[in-house]
Amino acid sequence: EVQLVESGGGLVQPGGSLRLSCAASGFTVSNYYMNWVRQAPGTGLEWVSIFYSDGRTFYADSVRGRFTFSRDTSKNTLYLQMHYMTVEDTAVYFCARASSDLDAFDIWGQGTMVTVSS
Amino acid sequence: DIRMTQSPSTLSASVGDRVIITCRASQSISSYLGWYQQKPGKAPKLLIYKASNLEGGVPSRFSGSGSGTEFTLTISSLQPDDFATYYCQQYHSFWTFGQGTKVEIK
Repeated sequence: EVQLVESGGGLVQPGGSLRLSCAASGFTVSNYYMNWVRQAPGTGLEWVSIFYSDGRTFYADSVRGRFTFSRDTSKNTLYLQMHYMTVEDTAVYFCARASSDLDAFDIWGQGTMVTVSS
Repeated sequence: DIRMTQSPSTLSASVGDRVIITCRASQSISSYLGWYQQKPGKAPKLLIYKASNLEGGVPSRFSGSGSGTEFTLTISSLQPDDFATYYCQQYHSFWTFGQGTKVEIK
């Protein structure tokens, strides 16, 4: 079964750091364009970052310089390292798969909640 | 950045109704548009890709149309399972979502 499972969410203080994981099964992440999308409570969806199959990464302006998207092909797992977090980073974080950078996101994980609060 | 604007924000409808949701892009995105359905506490689910292509397993009552800057999602006969929030997404230049349209029971 093709599946994405996120983990690592939790409560973090403003200015703190957190690392999210996204474990893939049923397909090889290095063959796809993998994304992080977040959803703040009661609001819509915001694209956060993409990891191209060729290793390039891109970030939304709101997280560039603070978040880092990485990939461990041996574990078929993706990571989102988040630093200098603010209350505006509070959201459910989803990982999602696309076949290319000109494709919709066809597989989504269930999401992991991140709360930034003192 | 490309902005996506959906209308309406909320839509009240009854089972069996024909429902149309509109999505407008701030500049041309060709046909690089997807539609997603999201239920509370769940991940979004892809319904339509490339503006008019039905994702596998999605009921045929869902259809999409449009190109350039104007797009629509149509549900031909609303079913109880369809009450949810719907999002459009452009992937022509980076990735942007509309603000969502909540379809609620009338």
